[in-house]
Amino acid sequence: DIQMTQSPSSLSASVGDRVTITCRASQSMSNYIAWFQQKPGKAPKSLIYDATSLQSGVPSKFSGSGSGTDFTLTISSLQPEDCATYYCQQYNSFPLTFGGGTKVEIK
Amino acid sequence: EVHLLESGGGLVQPGGSLRLSCAASGFTFSSYAMSWVRQAPGKGLEWVSSFSGRTSSTYYAESVKGRFTISRDNSKNTLYLQMNSLRAEDTAVYYCAKASGVIIDFGYWGQGTLVAVSS
Repeated sequence: DIQMTQSPSSLSASVGDRVTITCRASQSMSNYIAWFQQKPGKAPKSLIYDATSLQSGVPSKFSGSGSGTDFTLTISSLQPEDCATYYCQQYNSFPLTFGGGTKVEIK
Repeated sequence: EVHLLESGGGLVQPGGSLRLSCAASGFTFSSYAMSWVRQAPGKGLEWVSSFSGRTSSTYYAESVKGRFTISRDNSKNTLYLQMNSLRAEDTAVYYCAKASGVIIDFGYWGQGTLVAVSS
C-alpha cells in the first residue's frame, strides 16, 4: 500500500501569504495525485488532479507540483475563504489512500 | 452539471445491514468509474470502494472487503453500496464520487449521507 504523509497537519498564515502543503508518498509513483479542499460540514472539493492540472472552475491561485515521492499544493495568496482542511490523495494503485489532512487558518 | 445525491443512511445496530444509493445526473453515467469514500466523525477521508466504468471491475478497502458490495444500475444512473455486518467503526459520512475521466479518481462529490452504527 502507498502511504501518504502530509505536512504540516495545521498552519496559520496571514491574508496574502503564500502557503505550501506537502505530501510524501511511501514509494515512487506516477503523477496520479489529487488535492482536495474541505470546509466544515461540506463535501470535499477537487482542486488539482494528475499532480499539476487545475480542476475546472478552480481559481488559479491554487497550483500543484512535484513528482516521484514528493508533491506540493500551493496557495499563492491566502484569502479568508481558503480556510479549510486540505487533503492529498494517490490514485496510482489500490488501495487508494489519502494524506492525513492540513488545516489552514488565518492568523 | 454533474449532480450526485446520496441516500439511505441512518442509525443501525451492530451486525445490521444498510444499502446506500447515489443518484447521478448531468453526465453519461455508464462511462465513468464511481466510488464511495467515507469520513468518520472528526477524522480524515477513507476510500471504501470503486466500480470501474469500462471494465465493470470492483475494488474494496481491506476494512470492508467481504462485508460491503458495490454495484451500479446504468439504466437508473444509480450507484449502490450494500453494507452488511456493520460495526461501530463503520460510523461515518459516506460520499459518492465520480471520476474525472478514464482513471478512477474523485473529481466530483455528492453531499454525503450519515451512517451511524450503535446499539
